[in-house]
Amino acid sequence: DARVTQTPRHKVTEMGQEVTMRCQPILGHNTVFWYRQTMMQGLELLAYFRNRAPLDDSGMPKDRFSAEMPDATLATLKIQPSEPRDSAVYFCASGDQETQYFGPGTRLLVL
Amino acid sequence: AQKVTQAQTEISVVEKEDVTLDCVYETRDTTYYLFWYKQPPSGELVFLIRRNSFDEQNEISGRYSWNFQKSTSSFNFTITASQVVDSAVYFCALSEAFTLMDSSYKLIFGSGTRLLVRP
Repeated sequence: DARVTQTPRHKVTEMGQEVTMRCQPILGHNTVFWYRQTMMQGLELLAYFRNRAPLDDSGMPKDRFSAEMPDATLATLKIQPSEPRDSAVYFCASGDQETQYFGPGTRLLVL
Repeated sequence: AQKVTQAQTEISVVEKEDVTLDCVYETRDTTYYLFWYKQPPSGELVFLIRRNSFDEQNEISGRYSWNFQKSTSSFNFTITASQVVDSAVYFCALSEAFTLMDSSYKLIFGSGTRLLVRP
């Protein structure tokens, strides 16, 4: 049963520190998405890759967030420097062209 | 603009009751997909169903059933004989094409309905 994996599952850090979240998409899926979930905003799309190329990152604060896909088995989301308002659950999803399958999420707390 | 409305913020039922979660959507696209995802207390988002806009047939999967009505722009989800394990937040979502040239979609999520099934 293929699944999207994400690491770490939980991260507590201090304001100003760099945070890196990793995602392994389902083998064979050519699209990868990063979402953020907060109580106030719900689920928001941050960035989207297709065939490893970033196609849409309009939902991402550009000054501190960056998303990359160095190879087909790894997608990363970096926050530098982190701020308390970045505290949220970050989900990675991979998909065929019709359905997105979500990973378990990384719960981030920035103190 | 694309929009998904889940007017029920929270529903509480007693085990074995039937429960329907409402979803109303807005779109100008003629081709779109509708989805339901489940988020149990453990936090992951679990895909439940995808429905193509051209397929208005209702679907049943075990205790779950979905009613898609284009005339009212609704895609409602019914759980029959609810169980405690059904307690979760349920999200309805609508696909939106990124661009006219791109066949991939992003999801527009509703705000979710929290279902609590009490023993």
